[in-house]
Amino acid sequence: AQSVTQPDIHITVSEGASLELRCNYSYGATPYLFWYVQSPGQGLQLLLKYFSGDTLVQGIKGFEAEFKRSQSSFNLRKPSVHWSDAAEYFCAVGAFNAGGTSYGKLTFGQGTILTVHP
Amino acid sequence: DSGVTQTPKHLITATGQRVTLRCSPRSGDLSVYWYQQSLDQGLQFLIQYYNGEERAKGNILERFSAQQFPDLHSELNLSSLELGDSALYFCASSVALAGEQYFGPGTRLTVT
Repeated sequence: AQSVTQPDIHITVSEGASLELRCNYSYGATPYLFWYVQSPGQGLQLLLKYFSGDTLVQGIKGFEAEFKRSQSSFNLRKPSVHWSDAAEYFCAVGAFNAGGTSYGKLTFGQGTILTVHP
Repeated sequence: DSGVTQTPKHLITATGQRVTLRCSPRSGDLSVYWYQQSLDQGLQFLIQYYNGEERAKGNILERFSAQQFPDLHSELNLSSLELGDSALYFCASSVALAGEQYFGPGTRLTVT
């Protein structure tokens, strides 16, 4: 079964500083990986996804993530954080086993809450 | 705005009652997913429908059921409600059987 670990429950950064949110996954085959962001009282917005190909993927709002198979990681980065980036961030892995019971299912990490200081 | 709509936004009901949550997927999306978000369990996958058929099931309780209708909207039915069912329920949709999922704003259920 797949699983996702986000080691940092809460991260605080200053506006303009760089950001890296960690994500480690466990899955037997090549995973499909996602980062979502959730603002208070809102739904989840897709930031970026990795299916295959280039291991550095670009997303919306200036975010990027790098897939490292050897480390089973998919860390999210942003070079300069804005106050509006304060939210909770979720890493997710998709199984997509054709014919399996897990088809389509996303497994989420516990989330990382980002606080941005002015 | 993801294009996925959910109603109602908030629902307050008593233990033992039954409620129905409704979801309309993005135009053109055939898959609908339901997730539950709670403080202790985090985001948990409940069930997936694709073009009217159930395709994947998570740890969905027997008291919960769902269906997807010919117009592709979906309903999640929760019965014999318990205090522990209080949570945010999200619907998501995708074009195909798998792929990136787009989430609705959620329905916050409070069971008293």
